[in-house]
Amino acid sequence: AQTVTQSQPEMSVQEAETVTLSCTYDTSESDYYLFWYKQPPSRQMILVIRQEAYKQQNATENRFSVNFQKAAKSFSLKISDSQLGDAAMYFCAYKDTSYGKLTFGQGTILTVHP
Amino acid sequence: DTAVSQTPKYLVTQMGNDKSIKCEQNLGHDTMYWYKQDSKKFLKIMFSYNNKELIINETVPNRFSPKSPDKAHLNLHINSLELGDSAVYFCASSHPGTGGFNEQFFGPGTRLTVL
Repeated sequence: AQTVTQSQPEMSVQEAETVTLSCTYDTSESDYYLFWYKQPPSRQMILVIRQEAYKQQNATENRFSVNFQKAAKSFSLKISDSQLGDAAMYFCAYKDTSYGKLTFGQGTILTVHP
Repeated sequence: DTAVSQTPKYLVTQMGNDKSIKCEQNLGHDTMYWYKQDSKKFLKIMFSYNNKELIINETVPNRFSPKSPDKAHLNLHINSLELGDSAVYFCASSHPGTGGFNEQFFGPGTRLTVL
């Protein structure tokens, strides 16, 4: 079974600075998808960024980018120019190609200081 | 326009009661999911339906029974509620099918509190 591990329960960053959230996963599959979701206090799950395992190029979405290391099974999220609105719980998730279920990590609470 | 909606948003009930949570999506998706987020914020898949057919049934007590009357709806019925059922339940949908890069759209969640 696939597992996803986020080793940082909490992280903090100053506004306008850069922060990196870590995620590692375990799978025997060669093809899969990885996601980062954001959950603000409103509890709505919001997709931040996604990566296909067969693409070596790291995904970017505005201030959000990933560092995908397939051999190391690592998928970290970098947030540049952090804003107060980035404060939330961030979940790393793995999706297989068969049944489509998301397997989530434990989450990282990000605090942004003004 | 709400893409994935759940009712109710909050549900407080007594142990032993039976309750249902409803989910509807207006995105034309054919796959729907139920996830449970426990008190430690851990999210785990419970069920998935594809075109009204059950395709994922994780190790969930059989007191939980999903029902999909059509592709746009996936309801969750819970019998004999227990204290440990207190959690936030999320419905999600995606298209097309289960594979691929398809983003899952989540509902707002239903916070269930069992007293």
